[in-house]
Amino acid sequence: SQQGEEDPQALSIQEGENATMNCSYKTSINNLQWYRQNSGRGLVHLILIRSNEREKHSGRLRVTLDTSKKSSSLLITASRAADTASYFCATDASRGSTLGRLYFGRGTQLTVWP
Amino acid sequence: KAGVTQTPRYLIKTRGQQVTLSCSPISGHRSVSWYQQTPGQGLQFLFEYFSETQRNKGNFPGRFSGRQFSNSRSEMNVSTLELGDSALYLCASSLSSGSSWEQYFGPGTRLTVT
Repeated sequence: SQQGEEDPQALSIQEGENATMNCSYKTSINNLQWYRQNSGRGLVHLILIRSNEREKHSGRLRVTLDTSKKSSSLLITASRAADTASYFCATDASRGSTLGRLYFGRGTQLTVWP
Repeated sequence: KAGVTQTPRYLIKTRGQQVTLSCSPISGHRSVSWYQQTPGQGLQFLFEYFSETQRNKGNFPGRFSGRQFSNSRSEMNVSTLELGDSALYLCASSLSSGSSWEQYFGPGTRLTVT
């Protein structure tokens, strides 16, 4: 399966601390995206990183991509209680009939305590 | 700019019935994808529509179908509902087809089959 897998499944930290989530996948990709979901609601797009990029920043978010290890990480710096949510990575397939569809992992549940 | 809207937000149906869910993409977006989210299987891709044509289809039975209209609005239909169809159904829109485009998700339709 192409599906990405996030690690850890759950992460609990205090406000102000950094949170790091990892994603591993199995086959070659064109892009990898990170999404956030608050308690059974819609997903919010965070960052898209292309296979020829190694690092990308957006505000307090930093995403890295290592295509040789087929892995990505999402770092949230100076976490806030409002960051409490599930975080998903989504990969595509670089070739084949499924080109264009996204494969989601099971997500990391992040809890940030005040 | 208004986000992706989905109607209805909540739905309760009986086994054997059929259901139609609606998705209105962000203005100017021409691609609509549908996903099913369950605690057991996570986020699973259903299908993608672009310019009224189905571009990709996931591994779901033929009871799941969809269509897209000329204004890019999309509907998905599930016939002969089963208990296992209970899920959060999410639609996402993007400017164009393919995984290089950021997908913007709606709030979802929570379907409960009894």
